[in-house]
Amino acid sequence: QSVLTQPPSVSAAPGQKVTISCSGSSSNIAINYVSWYQQLPGRAPKLLIYENNKRPSGIPDRFSGSKSGTSATLGITGLQTGDEADYYCGSWDKSLSAGVFGGGTKLTVL
Amino acid sequence: QITLKESGPTLVKPTQTLTLTCTFSGFSLITRGVGVGWIRQPPGKALEWLIFIYWDDDERYSPSLKNRLTITKDTSKNQVVLTMTNMDPVDTATYYCAHRGNGDSLDYWGQGTLVIVSS
Repeated sequence: QSVLTQPPSVSAAPGQKVTISCSGSSSNIAINYVSWYQQLPGRAPKLLIYENNKRPSGIPDRFSGSKSGTSATLGITGLQTGDEADYYCGSWDKSLSAGVFGGGTKLTVL
Repeated sequence: QITLKESGPTLVKPTQTLTLTCTFSGFSLITRGVGVGWIRQPPGKALEWLIFIYWDDDERYSPSLKNRLTITKDTSKNQVVLTMTNMDPVDTATYYCAHRGNGDSLDYWGQGTLVIVSS
């Protein structure tokens, strides 16, 4: 059981937009930054978003992040078949004094 | 350019102790703010944050695994070593090491190493 809650799967057609939610609590998302990771099949996770809404160099602006209260959202526009992957949110939990992840969301581009 | 690479055994027996080494380049663990740690992922399952060590020797543990985990750093060799005791088949997973980025994100990851626990 992951500390952060994500939908198991989302899907959308190529070219469309999709959002992935990440729900936490007052001890993690509400007071700490959220980051998002993309994991392509058989690969290591890759950082997509840090500090809620910032993109590392090389990450296209099709990917965006936002946070409100105890929840965060990853948005992906202009979906491509290459975006099919598992997506994870992460944050720091003050009560646990440890990092936490969501359970992951599998994105299918139909 | 920051890189990290995990090394260690692929197969361990139940009750044995696992030792994994993360060898990194492109940064130093004596630089203020730097942290390196471990995350694991059982086959077909989600990521699990395990343990991190920081430039000032601070250590943070997953509470559920704290009694089984040890982390050490060798700044001269640019290595971080994870030790996990009393391995069980449920500990079968790919183990990743990662570099702490801004906002406690994990901005660089190793390729991962699969550890199978079986007799």
